[in-house]
Amino acid sequence: QITLKESGPTLVKPTQSLTLTCNFSGFSLSTHGVGVAWIRQSPGKALEWLALVYWDDYKRYSPSLRSRLSITKDTSRDQVVLTMTNMDPVDSGTYYCVHNILLIPGPIADYWGRGIRVAVSS
Amino acid sequence: ETTLTQSPAFISAAPGDKVSISCKASQGINDDLNWYQQKPGEPAIFIIQEATTLVPGVSPRFSGSGFGTDFTLTINNIESEDAALYFCLQHDNFPWTFGQGTRVDIK
Repeated sequence: QITLKESGPTLVKPTQSLTLTCNFSGFSLSTHGVGVAWIRQSPGKALEWLALVYWDDYKRYSPSLRSRLSITKDTSRDQVVLTMTNMDPVDSGTYYCVHNILLIPGPIADYWGRGIRVAVSS
Repeated sequence: ETTLTQSPAFISAAPGDKVSISCKASQGINDDLNWYQQKPGEPAIFIIQEATTLVPGVSPRFSGSGFGTDFTLTINNIESEDAALYFCLQHDNFPWTFGQGTRVDIK
């Protein structure tokens, strides 16, 4: 059974960095084809894909946020960490980590964590 | 970037109704579109993959159709447990993008 759980601070100040951890079970990020993505939802807005790390450590980032994001994996600890710098109140929202099979025919984004709500406020 | 326009934003349905949700892509995305159900405080549930394939274990009251730019999620004989937020995701090209979501309420 695949599960993912997000953890990290629920309140950060503007200009600070946010570091979120995704702890997962039921799969290995060293398995060919597997990837973990971070997705967020800000109030009143559509879900937004942020970053993705592949089993071979290849990484993809949202073009609009690329300069502020870093995604890393720790295969031995079954963790993926997302760091977002220079946080702003518009970055407030719920952040999700999501399991993917990145080889055709997928599936893409088949298991989601419950999410962690992050507020950016002074 | 592919924009997904999802409609309507809200549906109020009676038990037994048939409900349809549309997701239109700004460019062709083949069948690289998934549908999800999400209830408050719960992980999103993967219900339709590749536009038309029902995810194993999901009720057959759910079905998906479409290819290219126009996609539809249909819920037949809707039940109270189907009250949730539904959203679409395209993974044809990066960045992956989402529809705005449709909230389904059961009268």
